[in-house]
Amino acid sequence: SQELEQSPQSLIVQEGKNLTINCTSSKTLYGLYWYKQKYGEGLIFLMMLQKGGEEKSHEKITAKLDEKKQQSSLHITASQPSHAGIYLCGADTSGTYKYIFGTGTRLKVLA
Amino acid sequence: DVKVTQSSRYLVKRTGEKVFLECVQDMDHENMFWYRQDPGLGLRLIYFSYDVKMKEKGDIPEGYSVSREKKERFSLILESASTNQTSMYLCASSRTSAQETQYFGPGTRLLVL
Repeated sequence: SQELEQSPQSLIVQEGKNLTINCTSSKTLYGLYWYKQKYGEGLIFLMMLQKGGEEKSHEKITAKLDEKKQQSSLHITASQPSHAGIYLCGADTSGTYKYIFGTGTRLKVLA
Repeated sequence: DVKVTQSSRYLVKRTGEKVFLECVQDMDHENMFWYRQDPGLGLRLIYFSYDVKMKEKGDIPEGYSVSREKKERFSLILESASTNQTSMYLCASSRTSAQETQYFGPGTRLLVL
């Protein structure tokens, strides 16, 4: 099983709807990173969370790290077709350079 | 802004060929990484370099080697390409060892026939 589980694996929403993607670790998260990937392209960095309870926002995307630092959620408000892509969480679970990544959530937004 | 570039977006090679993938970053980052990305498996670390001429094996180094002669450039070498090395290859860089954001290049999609 994956050390970093993302859910759901895929999501189709109507434009304007809100949505949440979750990232759960079996280990303590020293750092949690959210990326967006357009199909067939590289990863674009969105946000980094390090402290339990931390919340960050970028435009209509908000990410939170829970108090126990083992789960993060990414919330998109009023989704738009430009939000479509694959969202990946990456995590530092060992306090070193070695990150692990979830397998991604594929988001489609219908206009 | 951090910029990580990769030499090719798409490559088609034959089994047994030696393949070079190059990555360049312009932010004076110490760390550079090579990953491969496969459906259902996510990103897996192949090799990591924390300084010029220094390297460490990642989770799946077999069949690959790397070279870092200059701080800004990190090359991935497939000594003898095989069909199971068909994949998306992603390069990343970051500033220090731990808890620093890794910034990724656009990726190279490699097809080995």
